[in-house]
Amino acid sequence: DIQMTQSPSSLSASVGDRVTITCRASQSISTNLNWYQQKPGKAPNLLIFAASSLQSGVPSRFSGSGSGTDFTLTISSLQHEDFASYHCLQTYSTPYTFGQGTKLEVK
Amino acid sequence: EVQLVESGGGLEQPGRSLRLSCTASGFTFGDYAVNWFRQAPGKGLEWIGFIRSKGFGETTEYAASVKGRFTISRDDSKSIAYLQMNGLKTEDTAVYHCSKGRTQAGPWGQGTLVTVSS
Repeated sequence: DIQMTQSPSSLSASVGDRVTITCRASQSISTNLNWYQQKPGKAPNLLIFAASSLQSGVPSRFSGSGSGTDFTLTISSLQHEDFASYHCLQTYSTPYTFGQGTKLEVK
Repeated sequence: EVQLVESGGGLEQPGRSLRLSCTASGFTFGDYAVNWFRQAPGKGLEWIGFIRSKGFGETTEYAASVKGRFTISRDDSKSIAYLQMNGLKTEDTAVYHCSKGRTQAGPWGQGTLVTVSS
């Protein structure tokens, strides 16, 4: 199975900050990497698919990059509604596997 | 607007069965694979399996934790995917979500809660 290591596990930041979350795969997954945002009691919301493609309706302050084993989710200027948990998911091979998640909190 | 709505969850005893439904709208359901995921209370996200579209043979793949117990199927005429869960275990307690697309895997439905307890 492909292991996804996500960091940091938690992050404190302020509105307006630029934030970066990373995921590292235990082997190359090309660009088969998605990023999701999840708020308490809600379903995960797809932000980025195929490592860098912005899902329709997602604000442009969210961006993704990377290929192979190293991937990054960047929020260019944090907004109040962005404080949530973030998860990466590799869809290169089954079993699909998630990172451990990053909880983004208000500083 | 793309929507997926899960239903069929509830309280069931260990060893029993339950069938979940994922009703889709807003897109041509038959053209897409459907993934199922779950999230146990207070835990991380877990992929359960997917079913490919008819064009790819409606083949399925499953996580080891559910293989042989869970079966995914689809009825394209009704735009519904199913998750048949047999031999339920307490560790199957979770919110179950379906999602559109095999690799894009989104959007997701809001989920349905399955509780396995005696």
